[in-house]
Amino acid sequence: AQSVSQHNHHVILSEAASLELGCNYSYGGTVNLFWYVQYPGQHLQLLLKYFSGDPLVKGIKGFEAEFIKSKFSFNLRKPSVQWSDTAEYFCAVNAKGRRALTFGSGTRLQVQP
Amino acid sequence: SQTIHQWPATLVQPVGSPLSLECTVEGTSNPNLYWYRQAAGRGLQLLFYSVGIGQISSEVPQNLSASRPQDRQFILSSKKLLLSDSGFYLCAWSIPGPGSGANVLTFGAGSRLTVL
Repeated sequence: AQSVSQHNHHVILSEAASLELGCNYSYGGTVNLFWYVQYPGQHLQLLLKYFSGDPLVKGIKGFEAEFIKSKFSFNLRKPSVQWSDTAEYFCAVNAKGRRALTFGSGTRLQVQP
Repeated sequence: SQTIHQWPATLVQPVGSPLSLECTVEGTSNPNLYWYRQAAGRGLQLLFYSVGIGQISSEVPQNLSASRPQDRQFILSSKKLLLSDSGFYLCAWSIPGPGSGANVLTFGAGSRLTVL
């Protein structure tokens, strides 16, 4: 069965600091990878996705993620965070052919002004 | 454009009472539909998904059930709630088909259930 691990449960950063949130998955085959974000009081929404091709994926609001197949990782990065990035971030994986996503436990990011 | 509605937004129920959460999608046909539960510190747990009317797949055995009586309606039910059923329930939809696009989920606003 596929599973997703997010090792950072709560991250506190100051504005302009760099961000990297870890995500590792356990599935040996071809996968689709996602980061979703939930801003306070808002719906869970897609931040970026990887299906194939360039392993460095650009998303909205300056976020990017790199798929490293050998490490089973899909870490999320942003060079300089803003207060408005305060949110909960979820990594998700889907093995090709499966119908539904498996989500990690989420990382709560708090950006202090 | 497509929209997804969930109700009720908040629900407080006693142990042993029944449950019905509803989800409807507008602006698309034959969507894949999903119920997830979000518990604090545990991420999103897939409960059920459906690829068509009357077609329900259960991921986790528990005292919840799901039904899809119409193409764009997905209902989560329980006959007798347990304390452990408390949580935040999210409905989601995706485009139909086995392609990668079917993995991109759009979520509703969620229903917060507290069982006392």
